[in-house]
Amino acid sequence: DARVTQTPRHKVTEMGQEVTMRCQPILGHNTVFWYRQTMMQGLELLAYFRNRAPLDDSGMPKDRFSAEMPDATLATLKIQPSEPRDSAVYFCASGRTGTLGEKLFFGSGTQLSVL
Amino acid sequence: GESVGLHLPTLSVQEGDNSIINCAYSNSASDYFIWYKQESGKGPQFIIDIRSNMDKRQGQRVTVLLNKTVKHLSLQIAATQPGDSAVYFCAENMQAGTALIFGKGTTLSVSS
Repeated sequence: DARVTQTPRHKVTEMGQEVTMRCQPILGHNTVFWYRQTMMQGLELLAYFRNRAPLDDSGMPKDRFSAEMPDATLATLKIQPSEPRDSAVYFCASGRTGTLGEKLFFGSGTQLSVL
Repeated sequence: GESVGLHLPTLSVQEGDNSIINCAYSNSASDYFIWYKQESGKGPQFIIDIRSNMDKRQGQRVTVLLNKTVKHLSLQIAATQPGDSAVYFCAENMQAGTALIFGKGTTLSVSS
């Protein structure tokens, strides 16, 4: 059963520390998205890639966040330095671009707590 | 700015009732809409989608209705079950290949 895999599931860290979240998209999917979910803001798009190229990262604070796809099987989201306001659940989703719209498959998320 | 939103943050129903979850969108250029279900501790899961050239689409126990005149989307769940308890999000895709934009979500609580 194909699924998006995210690690770690939970991360507790102190302010100022670097955090790296990883995502393995579903094999054959060519788009990868990073969303952040909080109670106040809901699901916010941070960045997304198509065929490993970044298409839009306008939702991401550029000074501390970075997203990359080193290869087709791995996407990373890094926060350096982390701040308490970064506490949220971070979801990775993958899909296959088509002309009929794009159904996304989500991972289980990384719950990040920055103290 | 343009956004996708939901009318009610919570909805409580009895088991066996039909549920209707509503969503209003503001971008008339959006051509694709999706409903997702998110259970506690999990990521959103696809339920059903609809293109802008359709008014209605049915799945298993779920129906999505699209009213482009008033920019309104709804999800109908027939014979609601306790397992349907979750947060439901509508999302819009303004054009193929762009990212989905999500609304804030409606929490559905089903009591037996």
